[in-house]
Amino acid sequence: AQTVTQSQPEMSVQEAETVTLSCTYDTSESDYYLFWYKQPPSRQMILVIRQEAYKQQNATENRFSVNFQKAAKSFSLKISDSQLGDAAMYFCAYTSGTYKYIFGTGTRLKVLA
Amino acid sequence: DSGVTQTPKHLITATGQRVTLRCSPRSGDLSVYWYQQSLDQGLQFLIQYYNGEERAKGNILERFSAQQFPDLHSELNLSSLELGDSALYFCASSSGFPNQPQHFGDGTRLSIL
Repeated sequence: AQTVTQSQPEMSVQEAETVTLSCTYDTSESDYYLFWYKQPPSRQMILVIRQEAYKQQNATENRFSVNFQKAAKSFSLKISDSQLGDAAMYFCAYTSGTYKYIFGTGTRLKVLA
Repeated sequence: DSGVTQTPKHLITATGQRVTLRCSPRSGDLSVYWYQQSLDQGLQFLIQYYNGEERAKGNILERFSAQQFPDLHSELNLSSLELGDSALYFCASSSGFPNQPQHFGDGTRLSIL
């Protein structure tokens, strides 16, 4: 069965610094999709970035980028120039052709002024 | 605004009761997903519908059922409610293709007394 693991329950970063959130997954599928979602205190779920497994190039969205290591089944999120508004829970998610979505348990990111 | 509408926003009821949560997907989206998020937990995928048909099922209890209607709105029915069913229930919608992101509603907070 597919699993998604976020081993860091909580992380802190100084404003304007860079932080990396870890995510590992386990699957026997060759074609799948990975996502990072952000959940601020308002509890809304907001898509941050997505990666298709068949693409070798790491996805980037402004200050957010991923380090996708398919062989290692690792999908980490790097946030550059951290801002106070980045403080939130971050969830890593996986889906494939089965259409089931699996979310990790989340990493709470604190941004220190 | 994600375009996904969930009603009601809050629901308070007692053990043993039955409730119905409603979701209207974003315009043009054919697929609806339901998730359960217990306090400070990750999201548990419950079920997905695509154009009126059940497509994938996750960890959905037998006391829970869902359907998607011809106008594409969806309802999640929770019966014989237990204290442990207290959670935030999210609906999300997408085009239905796994590489496309999901757009989440604001959730329904269910409290069982």
